[in-house]
Amino acid sequence: GAGVSQTPSNKVTEKGKYVELRCDPISGHTALYWYRQSLGQGPEFLIYFQGTGAADDSGLPNDRFFAVRPEGSVSTLKIQRTERGDSAVYLCASRPSGGSYEQYFGPGTRLTVT
Amino acid sequence: AQSVSQHNHHVILSEAASLELGCNYSYGGTVNLFWYVQYPGQHLQLLLKYFSGDPLVKGIKGFEAEFIKSKFSFNLRKPSVQWSDTAEYFCAVDNQGGKLIFGQGTELSVKP
Repeated sequence: GAGVSQTPSNKVTEKGKYVELRCDPISGHTALYWYRQSLGQGPEFLIYFQGTGAADDSGLPNDRFFAVRPEGSVSTLKIQRTERGDSAVYLCASRPSGGSYEQYFGPGTRLTVT
Repeated sequence: AQSVSQHNHHVILSEAASLELGCNYSYGGTVNLFWYVQYPGQHLQLLLKYFSGDPLVKGIKGFEAEFIKSKFSFNLRKPSVQWSDTAEYFCAVDNQGGKLIFGQGTELSVKP
């Protein structure tokens, strides 16, 4: 079946602009996660949704970052007033409900802020 | 706070050599442990996982890992690497259902 998809695959924006990154999880997966991966580092947690609500947003670096999942499937990560330090690969993962703790990752969106 | 440490940033091996990548974590409670792999140009894929039971777990492509609770370690092993194992390997831990905490990754280069 289809895996996690993310759009766009690449996004170049100017400092100060607003961007939206989209994640389509695997159908039926109730949990959805956003991570950020900087060059040479492992993925770093941003936010986790269980259904429509954010179960843990402790990884969001500041209030310029916001994410929504209004219908419990697709999620959008929104970044306001982008800074050069926001440049990274933004990864989305989903997980089914129940006892499996395995997360399935999408290909990521490479964000470059110039 | 939870953290994961991978001891090697870059490992270079010849084909048929044995591989061991170190991973240590800090967390006092019950954890799930994972190794993910990222082949060049591809997304993160699960290599193997440990939730409970036998501490020696086997994954895809001949990889295995051993959970040693007393050492807070979950080292990845493969007896004989192939050129196709060239990739970046990430160790990760979660506290059962929440966020994954990743190590910084180990880049493995296998020379043919």
